[in-house]
Formats: sequence, C-alpha cells, structure tokens
Amino acid sequence: DAGVIQSPRHEVTEMGQEVTLRCKPISGHDYLFWYRQTMMRGLELLIYFNNNVPIDDSGMPEDRFSAKMPNASFSTLKIQPSEPRDSAVYFCASSLAQGTEQYFGPGTRLTVT
Amino acid sequence: AQSVAQPEDQVNVAEGNPLTVKCTYSVSGNPYLFWYVQYPNRGLQFLLKYITGDNLVKGSYGFEAEFNKSQTSFHLKKPSALVSDSALYFCAVIPYGQNFVFGPGTRLSVLP
Repeated sequence: DAGVIQSPRHEVTEMGQEVTLRCKPISGHDYLFWYRQTMMRGLELLIYFNNNVPIDDSGMPEDRFSAKMPNASFSTLKIQPSEPRDSAVYFCASSLAQGTEQYFGPGTRLTVT
Repeated sequence: AQSVAQPEDQVNVAEGNPLTVKCTYSVSGNPYLFWYVQYPNRGLQFLLKYITGDNLVKGSYGFEAEFNKSQTSFHLKKPSALVSDSALYFCAVIPYGQNFVFGPGTRLSVLP
C-alpha cells in the first residue's frame, strides 16, 4: 500500500482565497483524521470521520473551515476565506479502527500571505 | 482532563550513548500508549505501542518503551543512539473509548 496520500504538498495563497487540501487514506481504514501542526500550538486534531461520517468536529477553529468525506477513499479540508493565521502544516491520518495506531500522510504545508 | 506530558522540550545525547525520552500521562482507566517519530518535513511515523501484557515493548529502529502503571509513565528508550535518530518524538495516549491525545513533543538531538 502507498500509505496515506496528501495533495498538494505545498500551497501558497493570498489572504481571502479558498484553499482545498486533499487526502486519500489507506485502503480498508475506517477512520480518517485531519490535524494541524504549528510551532505555537503543536499538533491539533481538527476533525475525524468514521466510515465517511464526521464524528467530532470540535477542533475545527471556525466556520471558515469545512471537511468532507464523500467516499471511503477521499477527503477534503477546505478553508474559505483563508487568513495568514491559517499558515501551518496540515496532516491527514487514517486508522483501521478506533484505538489502533494512526498512519500519517506527508502533510500539506500551507502558507497564506 | 485527559493529558499527556513530555517534560523535556529538548534532549541531547552523544552518539552511542543510551537515550531516554520521557512521557507521563493522566487518563482514567487503562489507556493505550503510543510513540511516534517525526523527521523534518515528514509526517508522524508509528514507532511502538502498549496495549496490555509485558511492560516492556519493542518497536521499530531498535526503540523500546517501558510502561509503568504506578508512575503513569511510558518512557521511550534506546540502548545506543544514532545521529539518524535526531527527530521530534511524540507520546500519545488513547483514553478508553476516545481518540488520540498527543503530547507536545520532544526534540531529540544526537551529537556525533
């Protein structure tokens, strides 16, 4: 298996623009997680899905952030409009079941100017 | 509240010496415990986990960790450090019925 795949790897955009991050989990994994990593706040869980259904989105910072999982092999995290404080590395991870190890993608480094 | 502490922001060790990266947790019940490593510009990689059984668990790249229930600790260890072990290390815990709680991370520098 290729592991968790994220695209793009790097994104530079201007404040106010819409940003869409993409993730393909490991085949057969029922859970998908979106994290954000910054120097100041460390690793933060934004939202997670079980069998394509959002279970907990309490970590989503505000309404500008939204996430979808239309099928078992694809998820998106959208920021609209983007702001400079959204600059971070965004990771997608997947796991086979609750309570099992998560496997992380390589991340998307987002820079909002 | 469920939490994971990594008391050291930075650990420096000479190559060939043993290393320890500390982790303590505060959760109810019997948690699952994990260690992850993050190399520069990479995602987190799973190293090892403790679910139940032997308190000493072995993982990837020669790392091991010791679960100590009375001290609520799960320290990561390696008998002989390599320069290539230099990275950011995260301890994580899964409280019963919940998802991962990650620690803040410890940066390990192995000096040649």
